[in-house]
Amino acid sequence: AQKVTQAQTEISVVEKEDVTLDCVYETRDTTYYLFWYKQPPSGELVFLIRRNSFDEQNEISGRYSWNFQKSTSSFNFTITASQVVDSAVYFCALSEMSGQGGSEKLVFGKGTKLTVNP
Amino acid sequence: SAVISQKPSRDICQRGTSLTIQCQVDSQVTMMFWYRQQPGQSLTLIATANQGSEATYESGFVIDKFPISRPNLTFSTLTVSNMSPEDSSIYLCSVPRAGGIYNEQFFGPGTRLTVL
Repeated sequence: AQKVTQAQTEISVVEKEDVTLDCVYETRDTTYYLFWYKQPPSGELVFLIRRNSFDEQNEISGRYSWNFQKSTSSFNFTITASQVVDSAVYFCALSEMSGQGGSEKLVFGKGTKLTVNP
Repeated sequence: SAVISQKPSRDICQRGTSLTIQCQVDSQVTMMFWYRQQPGQSLTLIATANQGSEATYESGFVIDKFPISRPNLTFSTLTVSNMSPEDSSIYLCSVPRAGGIYNEQFFGPGTRLTVL
């Protein structure tokens, strides 16, 4: 079965430090999509990025960057020059075809709680 | 992006009672999803609700405990039946961007449920 592992349960950094959140996935699908979501203390899930399995180019968006490596089944997320507002729980997710009735679904990792201290 | 609202935003309920959570989307969507997020945990898919058909439940979730309605393309309800303290969670509905599951999902703000 598909699986997403975020080994880091909690990370604490000081403002302006760089931080990398790890995500390792397992899937037998040749076509799949990976996602990162942010959940601030308010609780609402915010979409950050989607990456398909055929596109291994790294992506940068402002202070955020993502490193997708199929060879190691990893999709890591780096925040450069972290800020207090980056404090949140970050979830990595994988889209898959559910075994029940062929429906599609997202499988989430357990999340990494990032705390950025001033 | 879709705008999703949920009602209630939070509730405190007594053991043995039931609560119905509403999810309203500002556009018509075929698929809607219901998730549970237990305290300090990740999101777990409860079921997929397609309009015009019965919901498809994930392993560990059953219709008697979590009945779902999907009367039209913009609305769905999830009922948490015969509640116990273990049902205390955040319940979220979501819809995929047009094109299906391989696009990002938009999530509602969640319903924070506490069962005493």
